Amino acid sequence: AQKITQTQPGMFVQEKEAVTLDCTYDTSDPSYGLFWYKQPSSGEMIFLIYQGSYDQQNATEGRYSLNFQKARKSANLVISASQLGDSAMYFCAMREGPNTGNQFYFGTGTSLTVIP
Amino acid sequence: DTEVTQTPKHLVMGMTNKKSLKCEQHMGHRAMYWYKQKAKKPPELMFVYSYEKLSINESVPSRFSPECPNSSLLNLHLHALQPEDSALYLCASSQGQGSSSGNTIYFGEGSWLTVV
Repeated sequence: AQKITQTQPGMFVQEKEAVTLDCTYDTSDPSYGLFWYKQPSSGEMIFLIYQGSYDQQNATEGRYSLNFQKARKSANLVISASQLGDSAMYFCAMREGPNTGNQFYFGTGTSLTVIP
Repeated sequence: DTEVTQTPKHLVMGMTNKKSLKCEQHMGHRAMYWYKQKAKKPPELMFVYSYEKLSINESVPSRFSPECPNSSLLNLHLHALQPEDSALYLCASSQGQGSSSGNTIYFGEGSWLTVV
């Protein structure tokens, strides 16, 4: 089974609108961390936001927020007020805890295009 | 700006050449990584160094040879590569390998490698 699933290969959003990028995960480890990264066409992989499995509140970082639904094993990224510079590839990732060897997994990514 | 610095940004090499990719971080991180990424795919883990010792080698061909001279530097030596090795090579680092936010993996800008 896939550890991280991103079901949206490509997404389009109008500038200034909000967009949600989906991510589901699969782990039996009670301790894990969820990450979102942004990768523009230049190649750099930019860390955006982190959510820990024991965190009670959804993580937020500026225009980025993570909609964490633990029972559903989903960790969707919400980008508010989209900007043209948000056009990039977005990867969801998970680091498992020590019970399962601290393995780190990437999803297949979602390509986001912001339309002027 | 990323605190993981990679050089060169672009490299074109022949199949008989020997070249090296270099990576440097000054965040005091004790884990460093090499990833290979093909177009429109997630990064694939190649090597992990923990406390300057090679801890993970994901069955990478011997034409790729990693080296960690000290806690801040990571090299990837390349020799007798094949055209299919053309890819983006990402260096990364983290404080440790646990699932907490403090162990977030930070990436460099990447080195674009073309083998001709």
